Amino acid sequence: GAVVSQHPSWVICKSGTSVKIECRSLDFQATTMFWYRQFPKQSLMLMATSNEGSKATYEQGVEKDKFLINHASLTLSTLTVTSAHPEDSSFYICSAPRGAGDYNEQFFGPGTRLTVL
Amino acid sequence: DAKTTQPPSMDCAEGRAANLPCNHSTISGNEYVYWYRQIHSQGPQYIIHGLKNNETNEMASLIITEDRKSSTLILPHATLRDTAVYYCIVRTSYDKVIFGPGTSLSVIP
Repeated sequence: GAVVSQHPSWVICKSGTSVKIECRSLDFQATTMFWYRQFPKQSLMLMATSNEGSKATYEQGVEKDKFLINHASLTLSTLTVTSAHPEDSSFYICSAPRGAGDYNEQFFGPGTRLTVL
Repeated sequence: DAKTTQPPSMDCAEGRAANLPCNHSTISGNEYVYWYRQIHSQGPQYIIHGLKNNETNEMASLIITEDRKSSTLILPHATLRDTAVYYCIVRTSYDKVIFGPGTSLSVIP
């Protein structure tokens, strides 16, 4: 099956620094990718839709200036958490759809655990 | 806005069938029923999907009622590795995947 990877798998940073998380589709191209955030014991929350070659679309309540998304190629989307604070500590997961026509399957990355000290 | 309703938690004895229900009474004609699961600290994993016919693959079976207002995911012989949160999601092929709270399944030895 299709594989989506994320890098890094975990990261610890100091408050005020920026952290970049990469999401790659390894064996297929994705013009769209999705970014989710998950707090402990909660479900995944969709943050934004990453669009190759154009601006990302953010869900209501997600600060676009804080969570910068870049989708520079058909296999790579990056999420940068700017000026990270402890409340940004979370599990970040990306996904990419593959397919056409009536069937479109989402493949999820393994997630990136961010801890902000 | 949640399109599905699932019980928050369920237990299942190892080796037995796990039957996970999902209600989706407002499902539209072009919406599929998808099931994903998330094992602790991992990304979600696709299990199965269906439109109106029952479906089976190597992981599970999906039974959809004739009126399509509910479905059941069946894990025929649950193992400890099936302990996870199971998400039932109703969507068209091109919709974003929006997760509800899901069902936390505990497989007990």
